[in-house]
Amino acid sequence: NSKVIQTPRYLVKGQGQKAKMRCIPEKGHPVVFWYQQNKNNEFKFLINFQNQEVLQQIDMTEKRFSAECPSNSPCSLEIQSSEAGDSALYLCASSLGTAGNTLYFGEGSRLIVV
Amino acid sequence: GQQVQQSPASLVLQEGENAELQCNFSSTATQLQWFYQSPGGSLVSLLSNPSGTKHTGRLTSTTVTKERRSSLHISSSQTTDSGTYLCAIVDMGYKLTFGTGTSLLVDP
Repeated sequence: NSKVIQTPRYLVKGQGQKAKMRCIPEKGHPVVFWYQQNKNNEFKFLINFQNQEVLQQIDMTEKRFSAECPSNSPCSLEIQSSEAGDSALYLCASSLGTAGNTLYFGEGSRLIVV
Repeated sequence: GQQVQQSPASLVLQEGENAELQCNFSSTATQLQWFYQSPGGSLVSLLSNPSGTKHTGRLTSTTVTKERRSSLHISSSQTTDSGTYLCAIVDMGYKLTFGTGTSLLVDP
């Protein structure tokens, strides 16, 4: 069973609404990743953190998405103004480190934008 | 950027048969993971194998780093093995690049 906890499992939002997803990484894992898996099962890397600091993020994440991993609180990914194309499975993963370490995924939050 | 190709795209087996899944990648990999994704979407890490051969249960992965390829062998397949198998690579950066996946269906 996954030790990375993601909530909610499902969320439905109207276009233009905010959508927020949370992730509790596995205990002791300082590195957290967010991925988007679309309806074609293609994975897109969004952002990753080491402790509270952003390591890498893509352009899309900089513009409409915001993410944080505060200390002693769940990590979060928020879409400021949802678009139909944002409908996807959002997967959070955690790891002990960066290069060479195994990633452990949560069960994902499925966003449907109507 | 890194490209990861998997073959075959889909595979249908009878229960008890063996499966051989292939993964080819375009750049140096510091980590390679095989994942299983259930129809419901949960992603489960099967093996981390950046080089050499590793076994776990009925699974064997062999990665030849110089040739930028990895295989996943599933022996004595069961109906519960049905799902999508994904190969993912970490290159010199931090992020994981996923392959296109192999959809496996094991018939009883």
